[in-house]
Order: sequence, then structure tokens, then C-alpha cells
Amino acid sequence: GEDVEQSLFLSVREGDSSVINCTYTDSSSTYLYWYKQEPGAGLQLLTYIFSNMDMKQDQRLTVLLNKKDKHLSLRIADTQTGDSAIYFCAEGRANFNKFYFGSGTKLNVKP
Amino acid sequence: DGGITQSPKYLFRKEGQNVTLSCEQNLNHDAMYWYRQDPGQGLRLIYYSQIVNDFQKGDIAEGYSVSREKKESFPLTVTSAQKNPTAFYLCASSRTGGDLDGYTFGSGTRLTVV
Repeated sequence: GEDVEQSLFLSVREGDSSVINCTYTDSSSTYLYWYKQEPGAGLQLLTYIFSNMDMKQDQRLTVLLNKKDKHLSLRIADTQTGDSAIYFCAEGRANFNKFYFGSGTKLNVKP
Repeated sequence: DGGITQSPKYLFRKEGQNVTLSCEQNLNHDAMYWYRQDPGQGLRLIYYSQIVNDFQKGDIAEGYSVSREKKESFPLTVTSAQKNPTAFYLCASSRTGGDLDGYTFGSGTRLTVV
């Protein structure tokens, strides 16, 4: 959606860290999500963060939230070729009628 | 196992034809959604439904129609009025309003006009 922005591409080498960024506009967002889409497949929920949190870590994934700047990031440690996919951020707003998705960032991991 | 099933995986449509994409879920979710995905673009919301027998237009509803006669099913019809229907279509479901679990997505239907 036009209110959630992501860069379109990111290329990293295997073993490096990847950082995918997202900005959103609605300060009433309650939950923020990261989804992964592999080629020709649907979206899988990777992780989420509640808006009153600054950071959440889940194995190789670290989510950072800067609520003041409305900036969300997903860091993938020790990136593997299997991490190559499109990553979408999404925000769930206070009324929760629907989510708002970013345009997706295509992560390419080079061996 | 609970999940959401889209069929068919690939669909070909001739000019001027209507086609219907199936979406079925056994997650007991109240809300269901249809998104369209074009290369290099994000997800655009076509229609959504939060309860049986009720649905709302999303951002790009023109040329599409839906029905929600059963909680489990939310079929999408791509009509001949949709001038550029070739795309990847994703169906999703959630508990009412989304909540912590987010959306569960189907595996998608790729529609091609021939």
C-alpha cells in the first residue's frame, strides 16, 4: 500500500547480515509484521512486533521498531541462500479491518 | 491440519470470459481477503469480508466480484470487465480484524489471459 514503503531490492553475500527496512505512516498501528514470500507461493508470517516494543529477537531474526520515526527493520543474521525471497512488512491499524502491506523487498543471497 | 486452499494453481482465460478462483479455509476464521500481486508491485486489496453474507470493496475492486455464502469459502470472479487480469491472486484469512496471528495466506492462483 502507498502508506507503507520498502526498498525494492537487496543483495547480500551468504553469511553476511541482511537488513530490510520499512516505513509506515499511521501512528495508531498496533502490530507490525514481517512476511516472507518464496517464488510462486503465498506469504508466510515470519515474525511480528507489538507497537509498545522496541526490539524482538527470534533466532536469526531481529526486528527493530522506531515508533517516533515510524521505521521498522528486519535483520537476518548469517543470511543463507534459502533466505532468498520477497519480504513484506505489514501494519495492523487500530481498527484492524485490514492490514496494509509494503511493496516487498526482494532479497537475493549470493553464494 | 488447518489451512487455506486456493485452486486452481494455474488458470488460463480467454478474452471476454469470466473465471472464478476458489478459496477455502478450515481455520474457522471470520475474515477473508483477496489480493492481487503484479511483478515488482506489492499486494493490492481487491475485496474483503469480515462476516458471512457481507463484503467490502478494496482498492481495486473494478472488474471483480465476490460472494460469501459460507464462512469457509470466498470465491473471486474475474469478469470480462477486468481489462488486465493477468496476475498472481492471493487469498488470505484471519480472525476478526486480524489480531496477533496476522493473516494466513493461500498458495496463490496465477491467472493468464490467452
